[in-house]
Order: sequence, then C-alpha cells, then structure tokens
Amino acid sequence: EAGVVQSPRYKIIEKKQPVAFWCNPISGHNTLYWYLQNLGQGPELLIRYENEEAVDDSQLPKDRFSAERLKGVDSTLKIQPAELGDSAVYLCASSEIGGGAGNEQFFGPGTRLTVL
Amino acid sequence: AQSVTQLGSHVSVSEGALVLLRCNYSSSVPPYLFWYVQYPNQGLQLLLKYTTGATLVKGINGFEAEFKKSETSFHLTKPSAHMSDAAEYFCAVSHPPNSGYALNFGKGTSLLVTP
Repeated sequence: EAGVVQSPRYKIIEKKQPVAFWCNPISGHNTLYWYLQNLGQGPELLIRYENEEAVDDSQLPKDRFSAERLKGVDSTLKIQPAELGDSAVYLCASSEIGGGAGNEQFFGPGTRLTVL
Repeated sequence: AQSVTQLGSHVSVSEGALVLLRCNYSSSVPPYLFWYVQYPNQGLQLLLKYTTGATLVKGINGFEAEFKKSETSFHLTKPSAHMSDAAEYFCAVSHPPNSGYALNFGKGTSLLVTP
C-alpha cells in the first residue's frame, strides 16, 4: 500500500516568491492534516480537513497561507509571498475519519522549504 | 488546553544499554498518547499509542511505554539500544473527539547511540 506522497521533497525560493506543496493521502483516508515543523521542534498543526471541508484552520496564517482540498483527496498548501521565517519542513498526514482505534496518523516525508 | 513536555532534548546511550525517553503531559481530560520516531529526511512513524485499557503499551522495534495517570507521564523505554535506534523521538497527545484527533507534539528528543 502506498503511503502519503508529498512533492516536491525540497524547494528553494527567494523571499516574496510564491510556493506550493502537494500532498496525496493514503487511499480511503478522509482526514488530511498539514503540519509545520521548524528545526529542532515538533510538528505544529496548520490545518485539518475532513473530506473537502477545512474543519480546523485556526493556526493557519491566512494573510499569506492558503490550502485547498477540492475533491476531498489530494491537497495543496500555498504560501504567497514567502518570508525568510517560512523556512521549515511542511508535513502532510492522513488518517481515517475518527481515526479508527486511536487515530493513527500516517505522515509523508515532508517538503523542506528554504527561503533565501 | 493540553501540552507535552519532553525532558532532555538530547539523550546519549551506549549500544546495548537501556533507553529511557521522558514525556509528561498536562490535560484536563483523559488523553490519547503517542510516540513517533523520525529518521533523518523522513516523515514520522508511529512507535506505539495508548488510548484506553492496559497502561503498559508495547510497540514496534522493542519499544514500550507506560501510561501513569498519577504522574501524568508516558515515558518510552527499550531494554537494549541498537545503533539503528538513533533518531528523533516525539511524544504527542490528542483529545478525541473534541480536537478532531489533531496531535499536539512535544519538542522532541534526539537519541544518540554510541558503540
């Protein structure tokens, strides 16, 4: 079974440029999460989707960040414009709705963003 | 509000020695507790989880953790460290269904295993 797929794996851009990250969750997983992981820190939730609905986006900086999951499957996270402080790893995870027994979230390898 | 504290950002053990990674949480309601491992340039992988029932939980790769409500702890242990255990370990908590199962992570502990 394929895991969570993310692309690109690495991205280097100059500040003020736009950037987009793509995530394809595990087949059948209705819940999708985007996390931000700064160097030396644990992941922090940015947004959570149940199917195509963003049910928790309270931690998403909406002035520059946006996300979509139009058909309830894959998702795109965008930053426009990027700032130096956005350099981090962006992780995507998915789980079954309700998580089954204990809500295991399956994580992708992440996209490492460097803003110059 | 819930939070997770991992004591020790770096832990070093000799190969074959006991591994003990500490995790304490604060929560006003019964939590679900998780340990994840992250190898360099990879995503997080679930080691083990506690939801309900038996408080001693066994996971993959010989790891186990014990939920101690009175101490609000969920420490991770392994009797004998392998070189391949060197990685970043994250403790996490969630409070379903109110939080929608979103995970709140600690800052992580980097485990170094020396020959």
